[in-house]
Amino acid sequence: QVQLAESGGGVVQPGRSLSLSCTTSGFTFENYGMHWVRQALGKGLEWVAVIWSDGSTQYYADSVEGRFTVSRDNSKKTSYLQMNTLAAEDTAVYYCAATNNFGSGSFDFWGQGTMVTVSS
Amino acid sequence: DIQLTQSPSFLSASVGDRVTITCRASQGISSYLAWYQQKPGRAPKLLIYGASTLQGGFSSRFGGGGSGTEFTLTISSLQPEDLATYYCQQLNSYPYTFGQGTKLEIK
Repeated sequence: QVQLAESGGGVVQPGRSLSLSCTTSGFTFENYGMHWVRQALGKGLEWVAVIWSDGSTQYYADSVEGRFTVSRDNSKKTSYLQMNTLAAEDTAVYYCAATNNFGSGSFDFWGQGTMVTVSS
Repeated sequence: DIQLTQSPSFLSASVGDRVTITCRASQGISSYLAWYQQKPGRAPKLLIYGASTLQGGFSSRFGGGGSGTEFTLTISSLQPEDLATYYCQQLNSYPYTFGQGTKLEIK
């Protein structure tokens, strides 16, 4: 069955870095774009970044542009989110999600999320 | 950026009620709209894509409609398991954006 598992979350001081991973199985990873979405406690969903299935293109939310970098390794069926210069407002649950190249663009599959807390 | 405005933000209804949630886009997005269901403490799940196509595994009680700038999510007969927050999302252009969510309570 389809599985996405985020890892790498934790507590980090402001200004520091953290790297998240999204390990997948059960679907043809190289046919899916990979997104990252975050959700602060008690708040709504915020789209963060996307990397296309072949890794050629990335887009970012304005709030993370220049600080976050999304990447992927199709051989490992894994996507990554490198987060630099973290601030308190980056505190959230981070989800990875997959979108089929041949679909409507919607986020077909989601991971369970990993918590990132930015605090001194 | 395209803004999505959901209404209402909070909805309390009884089992068996018909409920409708509206999502308005700040500019036309054709049918590039999805709806997600997020139950408490869980990750979101794709509910409807292409504005009106029901994702497999969900009851036909759920229906989506609209195009352009106005969209609806309708639950024809509310059930206790529908307790969740519902989000619309536009997939027309980056940055992809979500509505603020509609929290559905069962009376």
